[in-house]
Amino acid sequence: AQKVTQAQTEISVVEKEDVTLDCVYETRDTTYYLFWYKQPPSGELVFLIRRNSFDEQNEISGRYSWNFQKSTSSFNFTITASQVVDSAVYFCALSEANSGGSNYKLTFGKGTLLTVNP
Amino acid sequence: DTGVSQNPRHKITKRGQNVTFRCDPISEHNRLYWYRQTLGQGPEFLTYFQNEAQLEKSRLLSDRFSAERPKGSFSTLEIQRTEQGDSAMYLCASSLAAGTGGGSPLHFGNGTRLTVT
Repeated sequence: AQKVTQAQTEISVVEKEDVTLDCVYETRDTTYYLFWYKQPPSGELVFLIRRNSFDEQNEISGRYSWNFQKSTSSFNFTITASQVVDSAVYFCALSEANSGGSNYKLTFGKGTLLTVNP
Repeated sequence: DTGVSQNPRHKITKRGQNVTFRCDPISEHNRLYWYRQTLGQGPEFLTYFQNEAQLEKSRLLSDRFSAERPKGSFSTLEIQRTEQGDSAMYLCASSLAAGTGGGSPLHFGNGTRLTVT
């Protein structure tokens, strides 16, 4: 069975601080996908990034960066120079790959509530 | 791309009543998913369709729940004889399955918040 653990339930930082959200996953599949989603107070889940299990290259997008390490089954997310608008619940998720290689059903962690204070 | 649309946004019902939610996916997406999210938890998978075929159902989907996607476009989720434990946010998502590149990520709607009194 697949499992995603986000050990940090809540994190509070002051604006402009860097913050890292941890994600550890478990799966027996050799092909899988990892995701991060943001859920602001409005409730909509906003897609941030997807990585497949064969691509361990770290990624940077503006103030966001992701560190994927298969050796430790982790997919951590760092926000540099945090802003108040970053305040949200962040979910890490894991997807199996179906026979066609596509991602489909997601298993989510419980989320980390990030509060960025001015 | 108009995004995934869900209606209604909020639904309050009395225990024992039936409710139905609607989801309109992104138009070119052939997969549609239903998830349920309770307070303080991540979304949990309920079921998914590829075109009009319902391919997988979670054990969370009791026999009081039924989902349809009659023409492979919009979908409905019906809950019969609602119970207080059904109170949750019901999220719909869609994606495009593809032979290469892993298909598209799941894109979620705003959800329907159900309160059973």
